[in-house]
Amino acid sequence: AQSVTQPDIHITVSEGASLELRCNYSYGATPYLFWYVQSPGQGLQLLLKYFSGDTLVQGIKGFEAEFKRSQSSFNLRKPSVHWSDAAEYFCAVGAPGSQGNLIFGKGTKLSVKP
Amino acid sequence: GAVVSQHPSWVICKSGTSVKIECRSLDFQATTMFWYRQFPKQSLMLMATSNEGSKATYEQGVEKDKFLINHASLTLSTLTVTSAHPEDSSFYICSARDSRQGTDSPLHFGNGTRLTVT
Repeated sequence: AQSVTQPDIHITVSEGASLELRCNYSYGATPYLFWYVQSPGQGLQLLLKYFSGDTLVQGIKGFEAEFKRSQSSFNLRKPSVHWSDAAEYFCAVGAPGSQGNLIFGKGTKLSVKP
Repeated sequence: GAVVSQHPSWVICKSGTSVKIECRSLDFQATTMFWYRQFPKQSLMLMATSNEGSKATYEQGVEKDKFLINHASLTLSTLTVTSAHPEDSSFYICSARDSRQGTDSPLHFGNGTRLTVT
């Protein structure tokens, strides 16, 4: 079955510290991969996506993610977290050209300590 | 950039009443829009795909008679929760993709609607 696993429900990091949010997926083929961020009561904003090519993708707000086929992972990283990064982060997968039928993970809530 | 406007942002209704949620693409056309539901501490689940000028496509387990979708124009889709019950209380989010761009173009999400049924 197709699924996305975000093993960390809640992570707290200090401002300025590095961040890595984990995402593993189960899919029949190499899917399209996405990371979204959701602030409280808000919709989702796309941080970055991977379709093909370079497995290290750069996104907005200083985020990057690395696709590792052998590990079926697409972990999100940021070298230095800002207080404004506190939000919920969702990893999602979809079939190429699958329109909106994305499969989302359950999300990881990020808290940032001053 | 592309903006999806969702209205209302929150609504409280009594059990048995119906609630309509609007999803508008403000600066692009969308022949297809998507409706998701998000329960507390859960992920987003696709409910249905809204197709302009034709019937919506519902995901398995979603009652089409309860969640009425209308996509009458290229910029507007509506979701009506009919005869709402407390278990329908959730966060509903719509998304859309610019029809002029390919299917690999990004989805744009609305800010969601918090529905509380009392």
